[in-house]
Amino acid sequence: KNEVEQSPQNLTAQEGEFITINCSYSVGISALHWLQQHPGGGIVSLFMLSSGKKKHGRLIATINIQEKHSSLHITASHPRDSAVYICAVIGWGGGADGLTFGKGTHLIIQP
Amino acid sequence: DTEVTQTPKHLVMGMTNKKSLKCEQHMGHRAMYWYKQKAKKPPELMFVYSYEKLSINESVPSRFSPECPNSSLLNLHLHALQPEDSALYLCASSQAGPGNYGYTFGSGTRLTVV
Repeated sequence: KNEVEQSPQNLTAQEGEFITINCSYSVGISALHWLQQHPGGGIVSLFMLSSGKKKHGRLIATINIQEKHSSLHITASHPRDSAVYICAVIGWGGGADGLTFGKGTHLIIQP
Repeated sequence: DTEVTQTPKHLVMGMTNKKSLKCEQHMGHRAMYWYKQKAKKPPELMFVYSYEKLSINESVPSRFSPECPNSSLLNLHLHALQPEDSALYLCASSQAGPGNYGYTFGSGTRLTVV
């Protein structure tokens, strides 16, 4: 079974700061998701990665398959970025195996 | 249509009630999932349907009964629930085969058992 570890668990930062959230996993995967969940809300998939780097607006996600590690970066952070960010992986069986989740990083951006 | 739609958004039910949660997607995804999420915890997988067949059942109590009437619909029938079953129930869908396929989540049903 894949073990997915995220760090930090909690992060409070000031508006405008550069944010990095890390994720590591123990077993090879076919893809990794970064997910965002606002309090009491549903889950939105921000990125799906199997290699390299992706960028969307102020968000950047990278993955190193050899090191079994991924990072999510937020540039010029804003209070609306406050949410729980969850790393989740898909095994080699593909989507029908379901996702294995990290415990999430609770991010608060203060004005 | 790139959404997974869940109804109802909120549900309060007594321990003797029978209710159903519904999930619908029209993206042609052939895998659909039910997850349960307690406060401040990551989601836990309950059921996976692949090509309308139940492929994963993570030892969920029989008071939860999934149903996949067709490739677009997924139901979760609830009966004789306990207060500890109160949680956010999330539906998701994806392509079913091996490979790098995206996941789409619904916004969830917030269930309270009284």
